[in-house]
Amino acid sequence: DAGVIQSPRHEVTEMGQEVTLRCKPISGHNSLFWYRQTMMRGLELLIYFNNNVPIDDSGMPEDRFSAKMPNASFSTLKIQPSEPRDSAVYFCASSPPGVGSYEQYFGPGTRLTVT
Amino acid sequence: SQQGEEDPQALSIQEGENATMNCSYKTSINNLQWYRQNSGRGLVHLILIRSNEREKHSGRLRVTLDTSKKSSSLLITASRAADTASYFCAVVDSSYKLIFGSGTRLLVRP
Repeated sequence: DAGVIQSPRHEVTEMGQEVTLRCKPISGHNSLFWYRQTMMRGLELLIYFNNNVPIDDSGMPEDRFSAKMPNASFSTLKIQPSEPRDSAVYFCASSPPGVGSYEQYFGPGTRLTVT
Repeated sequence: SQQGEEDPQALSIQEGENATMNCSYKTSINNLQWYRQNSGRGLVHLILIRSNEREKHSGRLRVTLDTSKKSSSLLITASRAADTASYFCAVVDSSYKLIFGSGTRLLVRP
């Protein structure tokens, strides 16, 4: 079975450019999460969706970040304009329906470098 | 600040030895989970222990939970070089978000 799919795996861009990260969750999962991981701050939850609806975006750093989930099989995280401090590994994770579990399945991540 | 905090931050052991990692958290929980992250990869779920459970086993993994002390431990028995990774605990907070600790970096020397 395919796991969570993320693209691209690596992205190098210049400051000020728009960056779009993509995620395809596991089929049948109804929750999707975007995380950012850095050495300094560890693993941070940016936003999560349930049934394609954004539930909590309190972790989104600022207005430069936006996320969408137009359908159950696709989500994007966009940074516009990008800044060097956005350099990090961005993970997408999904979890299946059901109360009381919350086990998450992670994608391989997108390593973003903003120069 | 993060809910789960692991201890130690780094651990180096010889292959065949046991590795113990600890996690402390701050609020009441529904469950606590442990994840592994190999270098350059995403996190992989290892084991989940519910708040009404005290101990759980999965293969060479043993997890304990002490809700009175708000702490958990992960024991890996008979460690192998392939167990080298970072290990994270995570708790579900009141808004049903999974909050990760800072992780323990485990090195198993062959």
